[in-house]
Amino acid sequence: SQQGEEDPQALSIQEGENATMNCSYKTSINNLQWYRQNSGRGLVHLILIRSNEREKHSGRLRVTLDTSKKSSSLLITASRAADTASYFCATSGPGYSTLTFGKGTMLLVSP
Amino acid sequence: EAGVAQSPRYKIIEKRQSVAFWCNPISGHATLYWYQQILGQGPKLLIQFQNNGVVDDSQLPKDRFSAERLKGVDSTLKIQPAKLEDSAVYLCASSLQGGETQYFGPGTRLLVL
Repeated sequence: SQQGEEDPQALSIQEGENATMNCSYKTSINNLQWYRQNSGRGLVHLILIRSNEREKHSGRLRVTLDTSKKSSSLLITASRAADTASYFCATSGPGYSTLTFGKGTMLLVSP
Repeated sequence: EAGVAQSPRYKIIEKRQSVAFWCNPISGHATLYWYQQILGQGPKLLIQFQNNGVVDDSQLPKDRFSAERLKGVDSTLKIQPAKLEDSAVYLCASSLQGGETQYFGPGTRLLVL
């Protein structure tokens, strides 16, 4: 079963705009991770946020986590055409268990 | 640092045939994962190894799928016999320990005709 649910399913923006993707989950987590997948390729890890953290930054990426609402958001600022990809959130439960992935958000950034 | 290696990259087989995929994780990574990703969906975990022991294989169709990780390093995933619905990308990933950052290989794209 897939715990994470990304929203929206698809997002189309222009270069330079910000992109926000949301992820909701159902059970308690140890950490939440975001991955990117370019068409036809493997997944690339973007950022990991632990359950006791509320916000984390990495370059143009900003991730927030609200454990009371069981939700997370990924913000990509000043997007580029190269950011076009599918973005997945994945949750890890207590005890360093397996990762459960959502269905992903497809992001299209037009020049 | 070398990444996760997978082979083959592409495979086309007829239904009821068998197929095997190989994965070499990042050196020193104790945890190895096999995922199945159907077009338009997120990866679904098939099996997770910690060294050469199985941590989770609850979603592995054991009547046709098998996996092993000899000596806690390389791993193979086998499908026998294949069905049409097995057409997917099979991803291998590794991590230092379960639940932490995973590093993915390029995947094997399987088409069952």
